[in-house]
Amino acid sequence: DSGVTQTPKHLITATGQRVTLRCSPRSGDLSVYWYQQSLDQGLQFLIQYYNGEERAKGNILERFSAQQFPDLHSELNLSSLELGDSALYFCASSARDRLAKNIQYFGAGTRLSVL
Amino acid sequence: GEDVEQSLFLSVREGDSSVINCTYTDSSSTYLYWYKQEPGAGLQLLTYIFSNMDMKQDQRLTVLLNKKDKHLSLRIADTQTGDSAIYFCAESTGTASKLTFGTGTRLQVTL
Repeated sequence: DSGVTQTPKHLITATGQRVTLRCSPRSGDLSVYWYQQSLDQGLQFLIQYYNGEERAKGNILERFSAQQFPDLHSELNLSSLELGDSALYFCASSARDRLAKNIQYFGAGTRLSVL
Repeated sequence: GEDVEQSLFLSVREGDSSVINCTYTDSSSTYLYWYKQEPGAGLQLLTYIFSNMDMKQDQRLTVLLNKKDKHLSLRIADTQTGDSAIYFCAESTGTASKLTFGTGTRLQVTL
């Protein structure tokens, strides 16, 4: 058990809908990262938050947004869903930010199926 | 730019050694990681190596880094059926926190 909790484990929804994925980082970790794993794109970094502030952005669509709350949990919001958004979404957390050694611990993921 | 490549599949017999290879392009990589993903599970960190090291050993795992050729390998000694999984190498560069992952190598262990 990595200590990173993601809910829900599975999500099935329809095109055009909006969903929210939730992540609770390991106790004491200030950084949260979101990654998308799909068959065609592999594992891709989406976005990072550190202590409530956005730190880095990757290949995140404009239809997607995230935030990190004062209690350090994070939510990834996906809207106007398309079939191609079906993927496994991972959250990871790390103790700090912008260090050469920054071990990231991953949650079990949320599997999103858009029908 | 960042690009990490791995072979897609490796099959070994139980008890043999497995060697999973990875190449990366970003010469400023600072840490390189190996993660394991079992079916339906998240990514489990196995080990990592700093880019100024050549080798790191951790029980059955040995990581070799050839910085000149930008080549990383993971050797698993005495491979067991429980080692069957997808193995990802990943790099972090400079002070950027994000990880860039390889395509993953599926390891199949046969009896």
